[in-house]
Amino acid sequence: AQKVTQAQTEISVVEKEDVTLDCVYETRDTTYYLFWYKQPPSGELVFLIRRNSFDEQNEISGRYSWNFQKSTSSFNFTITASQVVDSAVYFCALSEGRTSGSRLTFGEGTQLTVNP
Amino acid sequence: DGGITQSPKYLFRKEGQNVTLSCEQNLNHDAMYWYRQDPGQGLRLIYYSQIVNDFQKGDIAEGYSVSREKKESFPLTVTSAQKNPTAFYLCASSSRTAANRYNEQFFGPGTRLTVL
Repeated sequence: AQKVTQAQTEISVVEKEDVTLDCVYETRDTTYYLFWYKQPPSGELVFLIRRNSFDEQNEISGRYSWNFQKSTSSFNFTITASQVVDSAVYFCALSEGRTSGSRLTFGEGTQLTVNP
Repeated sequence: DGGITQSPKYLFRKEGQNVTLSCEQNLNHDAMYWYRQDPGQGLRLIYYSQIVNDFQKGDIAEGYSVSREKKESFPLTVTSAQKNPTAFYLCASSSRTAANRYNEQFFGPGTRLTVL
């Protein structure tokens, strides 16, 4: 069975600090997809990134970057120069190729608080 | 303006009553999903549908029912058989690729259900 673990329940940083959110996953599939979502206080989940299991290239998008390492089954998310608007709950999720990538399994989320 | 709408935003129910949560999308997505989120926890899949007139149970389907009579609509009924229905309910949708894989899911704003 697939599983996603986000060991950090809460993280608190001061504005402009860099912060890394950890995500470790378990799956028996060789084809799978990894995601990060942001949930601001309003409640709606905002899609941030999707990664395929066969593409281990790291990605950078503005202040956001993702480090995908199959050897350690990790897909970590770093926010550089954090801002107050980054305060939210961040979820890592996994879907397996055997379900055509349709069923998501979510981690329990990391509550990030960025203080001014 | 493409997106996913959920109504109502807040819903109060007396014990023993069935209630139906609405989810509509105008993204022309094939698949639709219902998740439940409890405080401080990740999302759990209730039901999903990859095609009209067909749907599959997720991890916590007991006490819930769905229908998919139209591509753009996927209502969720919370029945009196659901023992602890107070939660935040999120609807999502995703498109299907030519290779019959599913892309990332996009979420609606959610419905907060409280049982009195």
